[in-house]
Amino acid sequence: DIQMTQSPSSLSASVGDRVTITCRASQSISNHLNWYHQKPGKAPKLLIYAASSLQSGVPSRFSGSGSGTEFSLTISSLQPEDFATYYCQQSYSTPRTFGQGTKVEIK
Amino acid sequence: QVQLVESGGGLVKPGGSLRLSCAASGFTFSDSYMNWIRQAPGKGLEWVSYISSSGSSIHYADSVKGRFTISRDNAKNSLYLQMNSLRAEDTAVYYCVREYCSSTSCPFDYWGQGTLVTVSS
Repeated sequence: DIQMTQSPSSLSASVGDRVTITCRASQSISNHLNWYHQKPGKAPKLLIYAASSLQSGVPSRFSGSGSGTEFSLTISSLQPEDFATYYCQQSYSTPRTFGQGTKVEIK
Repeated sequence: QVQLVESGGGLVKPGGSLRLSCAASGFTFSDSYMNWIRQAPGKGLEWVSYISSSGSSIHYADSVKGRFTISRDNAKNSLYLQMNSLRAEDTAVYYCVREYCSSTSCPFDYWGQGTLVTVSS
């Protein structure tokens, strides 16, 4: 199974900050990497697919980059609605696996 | 609009069984790959099972293999998860999720609201 490791596990940031979350795969997954965020009590929501493609309807302040084993999600200017837990997920092979999550909290 | 509505969750004793259902609407269900993904209380996301659009290809996580059975009825736009020999560690919110595959990736693009399964004596 491909292991996905996110860092940091949590971070505190202020509205307007630039935030970057990283995700590392235990083997190369090309660009088969997706990002989601999840608010308490809600289902996860797809933000980025194929490492860098913005899902329809997702604000342009979200961006993704990377390939192979190293990936990142950047929020260019953090907004109040962005405080949530973020997950990366590989769709290169079965079983599909997720990172452990990064909780973005208000400073 | 797209809707995935899960039902069938509840409280069950260890060793018991439960059948989850998911009613889909707003997209072409019969052309869609479908999955069940779960989330234990306060924990991260765990993929559970996959079924292809026709039902001819099925995969399970090792943690549920031999105990859970995924199925679908394309005529009823419905997805199912039969869960047997339930354990305390199966306690989680179970999400019905569509997987949309392009040439570059297969993200989980549509999620239901989830149904809670609690395994406890």
